Amino acid sequence: SQTIHQWPATLVQPVGSPLSLECTVEGTSNPNLYWYRQAAGRGLQLLFYSVGIGQISSEVPQNLSASRPQDRQFILSSKKLLLSDSGFYLCACRQGYNSPLHFGNGTRLTVT
Amino acid sequence: SQQGEEDPQALSIQEGENATMNCSYKTSINNLQWYRQNSGRGLVHLILIRSNEREKHSGRLRVTLDTSKKSSSLLITASRAADTASYFCATDLIQGAQKLVFGQGTRLTINP
Repeated sequence: SQTIHQWPATLVQPVGSPLSLECTVEGTSNPNLYWYRQAAGRGLQLLFYSVGIGQISSEVPQNLSASRPQDRQFILSSKKLLLSDSGFYLCACRQGYNSPLHFGNGTRLTVT
Repeated sequence: SQQGEEDPQALSIQEGENATMNCSYKTSINNLQWYRQNSGRGLVHLILIRSNEREKHSGRLRVTLDTSKKSSSLLITASRAADTASYFCATDLIQGAQKLVFGQGTRLTINP
């Protein structure tokens, strides 16, 4: 079965600092990968998804970016964090269309 | 705007009672999925129902789909305190290009 590793679990960063969140997947190959963000008490906002190495689709064009350097590695980055970037970031994967998502345990980011 | 909207936003019932949550969506879908999220954790997949299916069961869970009304419902029978969580619907759009869009969720509280 698929396992999603996300780290760190919590992160406190000052405004203007860079960000790098990493997600790795075990137990599958060539998955679709996703980054979602969840504000407190809210639903999930799709940020980026990828159907293959180097292929990134952006849903939210703000100051975040994503990269997929390897088949089972997905990285979320920012050069300069904003207060509005605070939230719960979730990485997920699935084996294509018509299949369920498997989620990691998330990273809670607080920008101060 | 969000594709799916859950109703109610919050639901509080006594243990042993049945809980019903509804999801409405706007555009044609290939499938609809329900997820559960315990506080501060990643989401866990519950059920996937395809657009050509009308009802699906899994243990104490029953999901219905009405594509003519663009709506789905999740029924949890004989609720338990451990069912306390947030529940989300998500849709795989026919024109969705591999992205899964989530609603805002229903916060379910089961009182012992």
